[in-house]
Amino acid sequence: GAVVSQHPSRVICKSGTSVKIECRSLDFQATTMFWYRQFPKQSLMLMATSNEGSKATYEQGVEKDKFLINHASLTLSTLTVTSAHPEDSSFYICSARDQGASSYNSPLHFGNGTRLTVT
Amino acid sequence: GNSVTQMEGPVTLSEEAFLTINCTYTATGYPSLFWYVQYPGEGLQLLLKATKADDKGSNKGFEATYRKETTSFHLEKGSVQVSDSAVYFCALSEGGTSYGKLTFGQGTILTVHP
Repeated sequence: GAVVSQHPSRVICKSGTSVKIECRSLDFQATTMFWYRQFPKQSLMLMATSNEGSKATYEQGVEKDKFLINHASLTLSTLTVTSAHPEDSSFYICSARDQGASSYNSPLHFGNGTRLTVT
Repeated sequence: GNSVTQMEGPVTLSEEAFLTINCTYTATGYPSLFWYVQYPGEGLQLLLKATKADDKGSNKGFEATYRKETTSFHLEKGSVQVSDSAVYFCALSEGGTSYGKLTFGQGTILTVHP
C-alpha cells in the first residue's frame, strides 16, 4: 500500500535554532501534501497545504515565516520550524494523497509523525 | 466553521466487550465522514468512511453510520480484541475547495485488556 515516510521521528533542539522535517511519498506521487500539528490530548490541526512547485497555503493563525514549507518535487515536502521556541514543541504529522486518486474521498496517507521538543 | 467532537477517553474495556465511541460534527455543507486509527508507534490509517447520509462504513468488524439528522458518526464494534488498542480519530472532509483538508476530533484512546 501507499507509504508516507516522515523523518525524523523525534528531534530535540535548542531554543532559537531551526529544525527541518521531511515528508516523502515512497510509492506514489503527491502534488499536494498536508501538514498537521497535534497538541497533547487535542485534535490534529491543519497548519498548511503544501503544493508542488508553488507556495504553500497556510491556515488562519499559522505564521508562514515561522513554519516554512517547501514542496520541491512530487514526492517530497519539508517543514522547517525557524527560530524554534519551547511553545513550538508539538507533534507534527504530514499526509499526502496519491495524485492519481480520482475522488476527494480517497484516503489520505499519513506519516508516523515527528515529536519536536524545544529546550 | 467545521468541527468534530469525540467522546472523551481514555476508554478501557475487557476483551470481547462492546465498543462505542461517540462522534458528532458541525459542517456548513455535506461532508464525508471518516474514522482513522493510530496504532502505537504508527501513523494514522483510514479505518472506514461514509460519504452521504445513511451510508454505513465498515471494516475489521467496526461500523459507523452517517446520521445527518443527529449529525453523528458513532463508531461501534461488537467484540473488541486486545489488538484494537489504539487511538481513534473521527474526521470530516468537505471536498471541493477544501479538497484533502480533514477536520479531526481530539482522538479517543482505547485500551483493551485480556
